[in-house]
Amino acid sequence: DTGVSQDPRHKITKRGQNVTFRCDPISEHNRLYWYRQTLGQGPEFLTYFQNEAQLEKSRLLSDRFSAERPKGSFSTLEIQRTEQGDSAMYLCASSPPGLVEQFFGPGTRLTVL
Amino acid sequence: GQQLNQSPQSMFIQEGEDVSMNCTSSSIFNTWLWYKQDPGEGPVLLIALYKAGELTSNGRLTAQFGITRKDSFLNISASIPSDVGIYFCAGLHNTDKLIFGTGTRLQVFP
Repeated sequence: DTGVSQDPRHKITKRGQNVTFRCDPISEHNRLYWYRQTLGQGPEFLTYFQNEAQLEKSRLLSDRFSAERPKGSFSTLEIQRTEQGDSAMYLCASSPPGLVEQFFGPGTRLTVL
Repeated sequence: GQQLNQSPQSMFIQEGEDVSMNCTSSSIFNTWLWYKQDPGEGPVLLIALYKAGELTSNGRLTAQFGITRKDSFLNISASIPSDVGIYFCAGLHNTDKLIFGTGTRLQVFP
């Protein structure tokens, strides 16, 4: 299966710790997106990359959040000094050149204790 | 953040019945996408709509892009147990970020 992959699938951490998530997009997809989904809600946009350039960031992405896509392939999302309100499913999606459809990975569920 | 209004919020139907759900927005969109999400998984793309008035089918699924560009509809015919899940609409305007709906939870009873 060559879909979007995310690692880890689940992460439990204590408040104040740093966490990092990884996303591997579908091969040849040049755009990569991060979304956050809380219980009972639809996903909300966080940020996106076209190749290695980060083109847009949501106001939801506080100073404690940083995302990178250093070589235009995989991406990482880091959350520093986690808070209980950061508990959510973090979803990654990718799109191929010339198409608007976004294909999602299985997500990383973060629980902050 | 902004979320689109989906209705109904949840549906409980019997296997074999048809299902209709819709999504409305105060803003216009250039593209509508419909996704299905199972518990603990990411959304899976079902149908994409690219212009106002467009009607598109994918097996038992049919979706329409509203003529005002502010709404979209999804129909599922002859529901089966594996149709259970949460259905999300999502709209795209002039940016690459998807604006998602609040979701319609579908439960199918045998």
